[in-house]
Amino acid sequence: DTGVSQDPRHKITKRGQNVTFRCDPISEHNRLYWYRQTLGQGPEFLTYFQNEAQLEKSRLLSDRFSAERPKGSFSTLEIQRTEQGDSAMYLCASSGGQEDIQYFGAGTRLSVL
Amino acid sequence: GENVEQHPSTLSVQEGDSAVIKCTYSDSASNYFPWYKQELGKRPQLIIDIRSNVGEKKDQRIAVTLNKTAKHFSLHITETQPEDSAVYFCAAQGQYGNKLVFGAGTILRVKS
Repeated sequence: DTGVSQDPRHKITKRGQNVTFRCDPISEHNRLYWYRQTLGQGPEFLTYFQNEAQLEKSRLLSDRFSAERPKGSFSTLEIQRTEQGDSAMYLCASSGGQEDIQYFGAGTRLSVL
Repeated sequence: GENVEQHPSTLSVQEGDSAVIKCTYSDSASNYFPWYKQELGKRPQLIIDIRSNVGEKKDQRIAVTLNKTAKHFSLHITETQPEDSAVYFCAAQGQYGNKLVFGAGTILRVKS
């Protein structure tokens, strides 16, 4: 599969625990994005990387959230001390080239109990 | 910042009829407008996009129109089929930013 892949697909955790999600972008893409989607809403932007540099972060991204892309390839999104309000689908997208179209992964669905 | 509004929130059409979904955006500097289709439990998939240097783009049964003056763009699906049933999202991308700002989505139901 040469598309954007995310792992895990589902994560159930207890409130207060830390969770980490991984995103593998399309191999030739230098841009990587994280979005959050709640039921009945469109994806909301969280953060964006160009290669390994994190260039933009949304105000939605509280201090409990951190994202990395250490080698400019895969990225991780960590949520510390999870809260019930963090329950959502976390989507990753990647883009590159002149057209710069964003292609999405299937997402990680987080449920915080 | 950019704000995108999308209407209607739900749309039911008879198979073979046309469907139109409309979006408005607030930032006149936005210059790229993609449309994504998302089936239940699946990833958003790009179905068509338009850049601000054109007013219309068509791909088989799907077309998108853009009115920069009024800051709105629309998705048109002709000869709808049951497999067109899904949630459709419009989005806008600013001139200096790479993030997409999405509308709230339209649930399209095509009845056979």
